[in-house]
Amino acid sequence: SQKIEQNSEALNIQEGKTATLTCNYTNYSPAYLQWYRQDPGRGPVFLLLIRENEKEKRKERLKVTFDTTLKQSLFHITASQPADSATYLCALDVSGGGADGLTFGKGTHLIIQP
Amino acid sequence: DVKVTQSSRYLVKRTGEKVFLECVQDMDHENMFWYRQDPGLGLRLIYFSYDVKMKEKGDIPEGYSVSREKKERFSLILESASTNQTSMYLCASSWGVGNEKLFFGSGTQLSVL
Repeated sequence: SQKIEQNSEALNIQEGKTATLTCNYTNYSPAYLQWYRQDPGRGPVFLLLIRENEKEKRKERLKVTFDTTLKQSLFHITASQPADSATYLCALDVSGGGADGLTFGKGTHLIIQP
Repeated sequence: DVKVTQSSRYLVKRTGEKVFLECVQDMDHENMFWYRQDPGLGLRLIYFSYDVKMKEKGDIPEGYSVSREKKERFSLILESASTNQTSMYLCASSWGVGNEKLFFGSGTQLSVL
């Protein structure tokens, strides 16, 4: 079955440094991969989508890479700020393009320390 | 901005009660989803719908049913609530054929006593 793995431990990063989060998956070849941010007690919020033919995508201080050979995506936050502290979820479409919903990783809790 | 509204932020029910969780979206999205989120288990898909009156089972449909009588509204029904259904329930919607960019509601924290 499809498996998505994210760093299960909390990630502590010093303010101003680059935070790098990892998402690994097995048993599937997704057409795209997504990253979401979730704050405590709130629903996830979409951040970025990267397609299988894209190596890298950027949005402001965020950068996502997608290596379909390694079956891995890396999510980077540069010049990190305490306000970036949240849980970050990666998600795959395992339906092959249908509207069957996304499968989510369990998330990585990121803490940016002042 | 797209808004996905869940009717209750917190809900406390008793074992055996029939529970309705309501979700409304205001962007004419075709697709709507119900997830539950539990510590250590992450988000799991319960049911989804890609059109009015259509519904499909997700990964954990047992003990739940859904209703989609209007495009903007997707209801999750717990036929007979049990304590193991205590969870955060999240509704989401998306546009188009695929699952690109889901918009989530703020969630309903349901406690079944």
